Amino acid sequence: DIVMTQSPDSLAVSLGERATINCKSSQSVLYSSNKRNYLAWYQQKPGQPPKVLIYWASTRESGVPDRFSGSGSGTDFALTISSLQAEDVAVYYCQQYYSSPLTFGGGTKVEIK
Amino acid sequence: QVQLVESGGDVVQPGMSLRLSCAASGFTFNTFAIYWVRQAPGKGLEWVALISSDGSAIHYADSVKGRVSISRDNPKNTLYLHMNSLRAEDTAVYYCARASSSDSYYRHFDYWGQGALVTVSS
Repeated sequence: DIVMTQSPDSLAVSLGERATINCKSSQSVLYSSNKRNYLAWYQQKPGQPPKVLIYWASTRESGVPDRFSGSGSGTDFALTISSLQAEDVAVYYCQQYYSSPLTFGGGTKVEIK
Repeated sequence: QVQLVESGGDVVQPGMSLRLSCAASGFTFNTFAIYWVRQAPGKGLEWVALISSDGSAIHYADSVKGRVSISRDNPKNTLYLHMNSLRAEDTAVYYCARASSSDSYYRHFDYWGQGALVTVSS
């Protein structure tokens, strides 16, 4: 099984500042035949289902603000919020969809400092 | 628009069974893989099961294997999760979610339902 490890567990950032969340997979999620990283990022606000922000590690979902960006390849990934807004307070999860069992990271709670 | 609506959540005693349903609309149901994902109170997301578009491929998380069965009725646009021998640790909100494209079930999840709460307690 691929284990997804996120850090930090929680993060407090001032409005307008940058927030970076890290995600490490226990084995590579880069598929050699298509050069794609099978890694997604989701945002979950209280009482709501998760919402996809980023897929293929760096492709932004339609409608997602461009302050959200994904980076990384192989086993090391990051989600960056370039300028934190109040509406970005949420828990963020990475997920690999490279192989079954599909696995999520433990989540990172982002708050306003 | 794409909609996924879960139902069947309930309070049940340990050892009992329950069936969850997920009604889909707004897309061609029989061309997309569908997943179940659960979230225990105050905890993170845990993938539970997946079923391919035609039902020929099914995978389960180890935590539920042997106690859970995923199925789909494509003419009825409905996904099911049959859960047996329920335990306290199965208490969670259960979400159904759709694969982002119809060409594989190894895809991210682009649409999610609102969830159904299952509580296992004596």
